[in-house]
Amino acid sequence: KNQVEQSPQSLIILEGKNCTLQCNYTVSPFSNLRWYKQDTGRGPVSLTIMTFSENTKSNGRYTATLDADTKQSSLHITASQLSDSASYICVVSARAMGYGGSQGNLIFGKGTKLSVKP
Amino acid sequence: NAGVTQTPKFQVLKTGQSMTLQCAQDMNHEYMSWYRQDPGMGLRLIHYSVGAGITDQGEVPNGYNVSRSTTEDFPLRLLSAAPSQTSVYFCASSFTATSNTEAFFGQGTRLTVV
Repeated sequence: KNQVEQSPQSLIILEGKNCTLQCNYTVSPFSNLRWYKQDTGRGPVSLTIMTFSENTKSNGRYTATLDADTKQSSLHITASQLSDSASYICVVSARAMGYGGSQGNLIFGKGTKLSVKP
Repeated sequence: NAGVTQTPKFQVLKTGQSMTLQCAQDMNHEYMSWYRQDPGMGLRLIHYSVGAGITDQGEVPNGYNVSRSTTEDFPLRLLSAAPSQTSVYFCASSFTATSNTEAFFGQGTRLTVV
């Protein structure tokens, strides 16, 4: 069964510190892996998308890594800010035939809730 | 830069009532979809559309209908609301169904069925 597991469930860090969020998946066949940030009461916003051939991708202070062999990804946040407080969702897309394509086969993790304290 | 616009933001329904959640995008995206987000669970796909006039079921379609008469609009209809449909609903769009491009999400509709 296609699954995406994230850890930890929640995390509290002090402003200015770094942190790393983990994502393990059992999705096949793999198309791409995405990280989204979801602020409370808002929709998810894309941070990065990585395909099979990419193992690192950065977006400002966010750096995602992908190990397609071990089916693991991480999201590293550098010099955290109060505005980084949010849920971070790992999403894996399964390559699929038919109408839905890869966009119709997004498997969502439950998210990691990050709180950055002053 | 409107992106994906959902209305309403909040709604309370009585069991058995029907309503339509609106979703519009101004990015000329072919692919649109509806998800529900429940506590302790990942987003789940309700229905999707790969273009005007084409819709299909996702993982949890029961109790919901959709139509796609234009590229821009993708409304979600609740036929007879049930308490189990209490959730936060997100509409999303992307360039095509098969692209490795990001999905843009609306701000969500928080629905409570009493």
